[in-house]
Amino acid sequence: RKEVEQDPGPFNVPEGATVAFNCTYSNSASQSFFWYRQDCRKEPKLLMSVYSSGNEDGRFTAQLNRASQYISLLIRDSKLSDSATYLCVVNTLNTGFQKLVFGTGTRLLVSP
Amino acid sequence: NAGVMQNPRHLVRRRGQEARLRCSPMKGHSHVYWYRQLPEEGLKFMVYLQKENIIDESGMPKERFSAEFPKEGPSILRIQQVVRGDSAAYFCASSPRVNQPQHFGDGTRLSIL
Repeated sequence: RKEVEQDPGPFNVPEGATVAFNCTYSNSASQSFFWYRQDCRKEPKLLMSVYSSGNEDGRFTAQLNRASQYISLLIRDSKLSDSATYLCVVNTLNTGFQKLVFGTGTRLLVSP
Repeated sequence: NAGVMQNPRHLVRRRGQEARLRCSPMKGHSHVYWYRQLPEEGLKFMVYLQKENIIDESGMPKERFSAEFPKEGPSILRIQQVVRGDSAAYFCASSPRVNQPQHFGDGTRLSIL
């Protein structure tokens, strides 16, 4: 079983749609959680950290459920520029440093 | 403020040659991480370094791969006697402190002929 599992997609949505991505992780000792965005053949860029209380950044909302070991990302009012691969990332700090474990990503395609 | 700088962007090597990948962290960042992304796969942690020290290399293949982060100059990921399976994108990331988010460079795309 992979440490971080995501639906690879692709998710094809029209502009303005709301789309949600899910992610599960297997290591209950994981300490911190992130969503990164990766454009084709580019580097991953930090989109947002994910907190237990849930957090929002503009059109993006992230949720964490530690009991279910489940992370979600909600994108409202999708833009063409949101087309990318979204990476669920988990960090196990008990190793003493940020050892990030990446999911394989969920691909989003937003069409006009 | 320049971001994480990696070079070269693209590197082509023949089987058996050596590949050297360089990474200059962001200004003020003393923690460097290397990741490898094989085609159609997620990024995989390779090694974590601080200046002059390898802290964790649990993701490094046992042979042919080495990394360093000298007191002066960039971090270097070195692959000796490259094979076709080494073809991948290699990303470097840096952070100012151990528990701060990591910022990634553009990556080096290594192709083995």
